[in-house]
Amino acid sequence: KNQVEQSPQSLIILEGKNCTLQCNYTVSPFSNLRWYKQDTGRGPVSLTIMTFSENTKSNGRYTATLDADTKQSSLHITASQLSDSASYICVVTRDSTNAGKSTFGDGTTLTVKP
Amino acid sequence: DAGITQSPRHKVTETGTPVTLRCHQTENHRYMYWYRQDPGHGLRLIHYSYGVKDTDKGEVSDGYSVSRSKTEDFLLTLESATSSQTSVYFCAISEWRGSSNMDTQYFGPGTRLTVL
Repeated sequence: KNQVEQSPQSLIILEGKNCTLQCNYTVSPFSNLRWYKQDTGRGPVSLTIMTFSENTKSNGRYTATLDADTKQSSLHITASQLSDSASYICVVTRDSTNAGKSTFGDGTTLTVKP
Repeated sequence: DAGITQSPRHKVTETGTPVTLRCHQTENHRYMYWYRQDPGHGLRLIHYSYGVKDTDKGEVSDGYSVSRSKTEDFLLTLESATSSQTSVYFCAISEWRGSSNMDTQYFGPGTRLTVL
């Protein structure tokens, strides 16, 4: 069964600290992996997208890594800010030619405290 | 929200009544999607469309139907709402170009539906 599992389920950190969120997947075949940020009460917003050949991709203070061999990805947030408090969702797509072939993780809820 | 609106934003209805949710985009993107989001399940695809009058089922399509008569509008209908369909519904759009780098989805603000 195609699955995407994220850990931890929730995380609390102090403002200014770094953190890393994990995503393990069993989806096959693999086309790409995306990370989204979802603020409370809003729709998800794309942070990064990586294909099989990409190991890392950055978007400001967000850096995503991908190990396609072990089927693991991480999202590292540097110098956290209060506005980083949100749910972070990992999405793996099986087929780039079929829009419906994506599996979403349940997300990690990050709380940044002052 | 990338030129995507959803209506209504909130709705409370009773079991057995029909409900239609509307998604409207101004981006002229080819692909449109309906998802539901529930605690412990993440986002799950209900139906999607790859063009006017071209739709396909997602993983949780039972009890839902869709229609797309214009590029900009994608309607989701619950023929006879049940309490299990209480959820937050998100519409999304994308411009799929057959390249894995070009499939970013843009999501709408969501519709919170409560079925009593």
